[in-house]
Amino acid sequence: GAVVSQHPSRVICKSGTSVKIECRSLDFQATTMFWYRQFPKQSLMLMATSNEGSKATYEQGVEKDKFLINHASLTLSTLTVTSAHPEDSSFYICSLTSRGSYNEQFFGPGTRLTVL
Amino acid sequence: AQSVTQPDIHITVSEGASLELRCNYSYGATPYLFWYVQSPGQGLQLLLKYFSGDTLVQGIKGFEAEFKRSQSSFNLRKPSVHWSDAAEYFCAVGPMEYGNKLVFGAGTILRVKS
Repeated sequence: GAVVSQHPSRVICKSGTSVKIECRSLDFQATTMFWYRQFPKQSLMLMATSNEGSKATYEQGVEKDKFLINHASLTLSTLTVTSAHPEDSSFYICSLTSRGSYNEQFFGPGTRLTVL
Repeated sequence: AQSVTQPDIHITVSEGASLELRCNYSYGATPYLFWYVQSPGQGLQLLLKYFSGDTLVQGIKGFEAEFKRSQSSFNLRKPSVHWSDAAEYFCAVGPMEYGNKLVFGAGTILRVKS
């Protein structure tokens, strides 16, 4: 399977600041990337789907102006949490897929965001 | 609407005992089914998947799952659990077509007692 990295693995920031999370495919051309958030003891909640070179598609209830997604290339997608607040504290996970992998998704290790 | 139900939030088994984690799904077409495992603070690792063929699929780490269309189930099994299997397990369903989102169950936390 594909190797997916996320950076940073853990970030603590002050309320009102913006945080960028990177998701990289190390050995795979990811034409589609997904961003999830996971609250403690809960399942994954899909936030958005992004295809390389086009705008992300956000799930209902997810603010696109707050969670900016840029799928800049076949190996990199970024999620920026703008003007972060304590309720944005969560575990953010990316996954990716490609035409050759049917609908199997390969997951990154996740980023723990804590907003003070 | 698509949905996945994992009825057991927590399961505790003794090391060496057998394991079965339940997964039921609701899906309007031929599903593509997955089991993922997540260790604390980590991403998800694929254990196994099913999209056609033999309804009993083998995965990594000695896990297997059986697709039963009549019961809309895809239960995960392991004949002998190891302490390192303690983790959270997620069942997911989605279409076979590339690029489509998956629907995840709520997860089952497995505890292994020695």
